[in-house]
Amino acid sequence: DQQVKQNSPSLSVQEGRISILNCDYTNSMFDYFLWYKKYPAEGPTFLISISSIKDKNEDGRFTVFLNKSAKHLSLHIVPSQPGDSAVYFCAAAGTYKYIFGTGTRLKVLA
Amino acid sequence: DAGVIQSPRHEVTEMGQEVTLRCKPISGHDYLFWYRQTMMRGLELLIYFNNNVPIDDSGMPEDRFSAKMPNASFSTLKIQPSEPRDSAVYFCASSRRGQDSNQPQHFGDGTRLSIL
Repeated sequence: DQQVKQNSPSLSVQEGRISILNCDYTNSMFDYFLWYKKYPAEGPTFLISISSIKDKNEDGRFTVFLNKSAKHLSLHIVPSQPGDSAVYFCAAAGTYKYIFGTGTRLKVLA
Repeated sequence: DAGVIQSPRHEVTEMGQEVTLRCKPISGHDYLFWYRQTMMRGLELLIYFNNNVPIDDSGMPEDRFSAKMPNASFSTLKIQPSEPRDSAVYFCASSRRGQDSNQPQHFGDGTRLSIL
């Protein structure tokens, strides 16, 4: 029973355009949500996070949006660059376990 | 600063053999996590330690799996006996605060385990 879901296993975007990665969760008790990026043969690296009391957090080209009523968060990357090609995991942290989604593979086409 | 160090990077062994994965967390981090990555289930938390003490091992799939942290700079994940379905990438991560906070976890590069 996946409490954190990333329903799109892959996404292709043209360089310079916006990439939108989505994540859904089922448990309202999560306190924070995080996005990690993973390159092949490397461990995941932290990208950006958002508290459950906020609805937006921005860091350079990366913005995370949280819609608590829909139990949905998204990561926007603008503009997308070839170096952004990686697997992106969303994670939820709270009273319960730190739970990751299954990941979305982003490919930015030059 | 040195990151989380895992060894070996790759392990290939036959079914029934004992497998030991090793992890050195970042100095000063008092939380250590073991994860398993598979295509079907993504990143699953197996166990985590706080100040060398196991706090939550409910993610450990079976009694064949065990983990120890004898000191602040070293942890092991052992599988005995190993089975083909244990084949996966195993990650170790560390952080300064617990998993229910905003403090990000720092991951090692993983051990790719193949059980034949």
